[in-house]
Amino acid sequence: DAKTTQPTSMDCAEGRAANLPCNHSTISGNEYVYWYRQIHSQGPQYIIHGLKNNETNEMASLIITEDRKSSTLILPHATLRDTAVYYCIVSASGYALNFGKGTSLLVTP
Amino acid sequence: DGGITQSPKYLFRKEGQNVTLSCEQNLNHDAMYWYRQDPGQGLRLIYYSQIVNDFQKGDIAEGYSVSREKKESFPLTVTSAQKNPTAFYLCASSEEGAWNQPQHFGDGTRLSIL
Repeated sequence: DAKTTQPTSMDCAEGRAANLPCNHSTISGNEYVYWYRQIHSQGPQYIIHGLKNNETNEMASLIITEDRKSSTLILPHATLRDTAVYYCIVSASGYALNFGKGTSLLVTP
Repeated sequence: DGGITQSPKYLFRKEGQNVTLSCEQNLNHDAMYWYRQDPGQGLRLIYYSQIVNDFQKGDIAEGYSVSREKKESFPLTVTSAQKNPTAFYLCASSEEGAWNQPQHFGDGTRLSIL
């Protein structure tokens, strides 16, 4: 599976959009981009995934560049409860997911 | 409510002792997984199982063993061969065709050495 690169940490003001970037320049054509988040001391929570089209659900939007070498997770109106570590994962199988260190997002009042 | 139940929440192991962590799911999922998380680190895959009576090693399987005798259960044994077992252990499951199905996680078990 391709490797991903994410910033170590980010801040966002409550009520504003949080845009979390992810680089996956070696992604293959059959690999999906998955986003999970982990609130402290809990199990990770699935957010969204996509192949090449942009995706939106009740939690977030996923924007994948046309060349698929990078993506951005957008939380449209961040709340304090969105403070968590966000993992960007690339995988073809969906089985052996490689959770790196992720981005630690701090939403501030 | 459907979900994944891990027990116990906290577990202490003496040196040289094997311990078994429980993971049960009532989501009717075919695939199940075990991950290990060390402080400040991401998750690392220990074992996964795509179907009953079958399982594959992940990146850090040494010192661990699993069984999958029932669809809803995937216990993990931390053996005495695992020299640094102190960690947060997470179990997950997903539907068949994992490439397009999210993994659902339990709340984890924290294992410590006495």
